[in-house]
Amino acid sequence: AQRVTQPEKLLSVFKGAPVELKCNYSYSGSPELFWYVQYSRQRLQLLLRHISRESIKGFTADLNKGETSFHLKKPFAQEEDSAMYYCALSGLSGGSNYKLTFGKGTLLTVNP
Amino acid sequence: NAGVTQTPKFRVLKTGQSMTLLCAQDMNHEYMYWYRQDPGMGLRLIHYSVGEGTTAKGEVPDGYNVSRLKKQNFLLGLESAAPSQTSVYFCASRPNLAGDTQYFGPGTRLTVL
Repeated sequence: AQRVTQPEKLLSVFKGAPVELKCNYSYSGSPELFWYVQYSRQRLQLLLRHISRESIKGFTADLNKGETSFHLKKPFAQEEDSAMYYCALSGLSGGSNYKLTFGKGTLLTVNP
Repeated sequence: NAGVTQTPKFRVLKTGQSMTLLCAQDMNHEYMYWYRQDPGMGLRLIHYSVGEGTTAKGEVPDGYNVSRLKKQNFLLGLESAAPSQTSVYFCASRPNLAGDTQYFGPGTRLTVL
């Protein structure tokens, strides 16, 4: 069975501080990992996916297959980063029907 | 190109009433999904579809039915609503293309009294 664990429900940091949102997963095959962000009462938006290895809004995430982790990091948090962040996992191929398994989310608050 | 849209945006039902939520996408995507979002639970997959005329159960399908008569529409039905179905419902779609992702609708906030 596939599982995504986000150990922190809430995370509060001050503006300019580094932030790390943790994500661990379990999956028997080749996973594809995503981070989605949801600003207050809005739809989910894709933030990052591991296969593209890009940096969006200053966020990065590296897939660590040894530790089965995909932590989201930003060196200097901004107030506009305050949102709910979801880590999600999908099978890499169409055989999984690209179903997403979500973690329970981490609510990030960046204080001024 | 509207992307993924959902109607209605809000709805209040009484226990036992029925309703249908509509999801529409104009991106010609093969796959469509219905999730529910509850505090502290993240998003959980209710049902999904891999193409027109096909549907399959997700993680929490009980109490819901779905239909995909047209490729662009995915309907979620509640035959007899219960307070436990109070939630925010999100629809998503994606193409059958490795490396792409799911695109989400704006959500429907449903309250069952």
